Amino acid sequence: NAGVTQTPKFRILKIGQSMTLQCAQDMNHNYMYWYRQDPGMGLKLIYYSVGAGITDKGEVPNGYNVSRSTTEDFPLRLELAAPSQTSVYFCASSVSPIVRGYHGELFFGEGSRLTVL
Amino acid sequence: TQLLEQSPQFLSIQEGENLTVYCNSSSVFSSLQWYRQEPGEGPVLLVTVVTGGEVKKLKRLTFQFGDARKDSSLHITAAQPGDTGLYLCAGEAPGRDDKIIFGKGTRLHILP
Repeated sequence: NAGVTQTPKFRILKIGQSMTLQCAQDMNHNYMYWYRQDPGMGLKLIYYSVGAGITDKGEVPNGYNVSRSTTEDFPLRLELAAPSQTSVYFCASSVSPIVRGYHGELFFGEGSRLTVL
Repeated sequence: TQLLEQSPQFLSIQEGENLTVYCNSSSVFSSLQWYRQEPGEGPVLLVTVVTGGEVKKLKRLTFQFGDARKDSSLHITAAQPGDTGLYLCAGEAPGRDDKIIFGKGTRLHILP
């Protein structure tokens, strides 16, 4: 199993450009998440999905969009990139917390480092 | 407003010393998770605590969940340089809307 795979690992964007961060998991997890991590700020939830076709906003959704057409993939789209979106982005997946014996423990990808200039 | 407050924010100690870091909230959590993150990598789950008052040990690491399920602590005995990293606590946000939220973390540096 590859676990959670994120691409690209690094990207530099100009202000106003758009891009999609890709995330794929091969663990058949229903739940998937996108977080951003800024220096000294921990992880902030951007969007999450509890299954294919279902997405919901997290703490900091503005400037981002997501889709979940399959169980495996959860891409994050940045529209009109701004310097404030410079961050490290982590995708994660988990078994549903309602499954007996699980509590939403997350498996993370290695991250995508995005710089907006 | 930060639902999960972690302290201290930074900690630098000598190899062999003991330390405790804390994760506190004014809200009740059904469970709390602890992760360790090393530079350039994603967080990796260490443990989940579920029952109030629960204590779990992972080699030299001891995790405790408060009786009221509002706080947790991580105690490291005889710290090693390999324990260096960012320690994050996380839990399902109150209201059971399936969001897993994180504290800001404790950045730990063990000096050889």
